[in-house]
Amino acid sequence: DIQMTQSPSSLSASVGDRVTITCQASLDIGNSLIWYQQKPGKAPKLLIYDASTLEAGVPSHFSGSGSGTKFTFTISSLQAEDIATYYCQQYDSVPPTFGGGTKVEIK
Amino acid sequence: QVNLVQSGAELRKPGASVKISCKTSGFAFSNFYMHWVRQAPGQGPEWIGIINPNGGSPSFAQRFQDRVTMTRDTSTATVYMEMSSLRSDDTAVYYCARDRLAGIPAENFHHWGQGTLVTVSS
Repeated sequence: DIQMTQSPSSLSASVGDRVTITCQASLDIGNSLIWYQQKPGKAPKLLIYDASTLEAGVPSHFSGSGSGTKFTFTISSLQAEDIATYYCQQYDSVPPTFGGGTKVEIK
Repeated sequence: QVNLVQSGAELRKPGASVKISCKTSGFAFSNFYMHWVRQAPGQGPEWIGIINPNGGSPSFAQRFQDRVTMTRDTSTATVYMEMSSLRSDDTAVYYCARDRLAGIPAENFHHWGQGTLVTVSS
């Protein structure tokens, strides 16, 4: 199985800050990467697929980049409603696998 | 509007089985692959398996091969997952999820059910 390693596991930032999360795959996955947002008690929500394509209706202050084994998720200006845990997931090969998550909090 | 509604929370003893339902609406049931994903407390999600609503054999993650079955009822647009030989580490929220793309298994979990908490405890 492909291992997905996310960092950091948690971060604290101020409203308006730029936030960056990284995800590393144990094998080359091309651009087959998704980013999800999960709020407490809720199901994950798909934000970005194909590493950098924003899902319809997702605010433009979210973005993703990368290919191969290294990927980045960025919140350009952190909003209070962005408080959540973010997960990456590869879908290049079965089984699809997830990163361990990054919990984003407000400082 | 796509909607996935799962059955309610379950409490089981170790060694027992549990069957969870996921009733879908708002899209052409036969056109989209459906997945089951679980999330243990404080952990990331974990893929369990996939079912083709058009039929054919479901496919599972290797660690669940021997104790998970997935079925579907096209008349009610509902998918089911049954897990047997439950252990305490199967305690998790179980989600059904619809794939993003019609007709192919892309493993992009686009729409999710609300989740079903399964607690395994003696």
